[in-house]
Amino acid sequence: AQSVTQLDSQVPVFEEAPVELRCNYSSSVSVYLFWYVQYPNQGLQLLLKYLSGSTLVKGINGFEAEFNKSQTSFHLRKPSVHISDTAEYFCAVTNSGGYQKVTFGTGTKLQVIP
Amino acid sequence: NAGVTQTPKFRVLKTGQSMTLLCAQDMNHEYMYWYRQDPGMGLRLIHYSVGEGTTAKGEVPDGYNVSRLKKQNFLLGLESAAPSQTSVYFCASSYSRPGELFFGEGSRLTVL
Repeated sequence: AQSVTQLDSQVPVFEEAPVELRCNYSSSVSVYLFWYVQYPNQGLQLLLKYLSGSTLVKGINGFEAEFNKSQTSFHLRKPSVHISDTAEYFCAVTNSGGYQKVTFGTGTKLQVIP
Repeated sequence: NAGVTQTPKFRVLKTGQSMTLLCAQDMNHEYMYWYRQDPGMGLRLIHYSVGEGTTAKGEVPDGYNVSRLKKQNFLLGLESAAPSQTSVYFCASSYSRPGELFFGEGSRLTVL
């Protein structure tokens, strides 16, 4: 079975500052990793995904994440945040073999301060 | 583009009442899922379907039933609602795995 840990439940950051949202996963087999964003009163939408290949993945809205197999991490980064980035961010994992469900982390609320 | 549509968006039930949440997708996706979202707990999978006529249990299936009689629809039923089922319910679909999940806007259910 796989699991995801998002240690930071809330991250406040000033506008135009860089941000990193942390995600660590646990799995005994190869994984696929995802970051989703949820704006207030909306469903989740995909920011980016890692399936294979380059460990640095770029997504929408200037976000990127780096897959680190040795540290079992998939941290999300943005060099300069905007007010509109205020949302909740979810890391998710699924095993690469067979059919496996997608497991979500508990989420990190990013609050961008003007 | 409609995508994934959930109805109703809001519902208040009394303990013991029953109800059905409807999820409809117009993207011809094979896979459909029902999640519940509770504060501090992220999204937890209730049931899922890998194709028309199939369903399977997720992490938290107790107290819920599902049906997928048509490819585009996935129904979530509560036979006897309990206050512990107060939550926001999300339906999602995907074309394949590890495909992107497309989410509906959620259905907020309160059980008194």
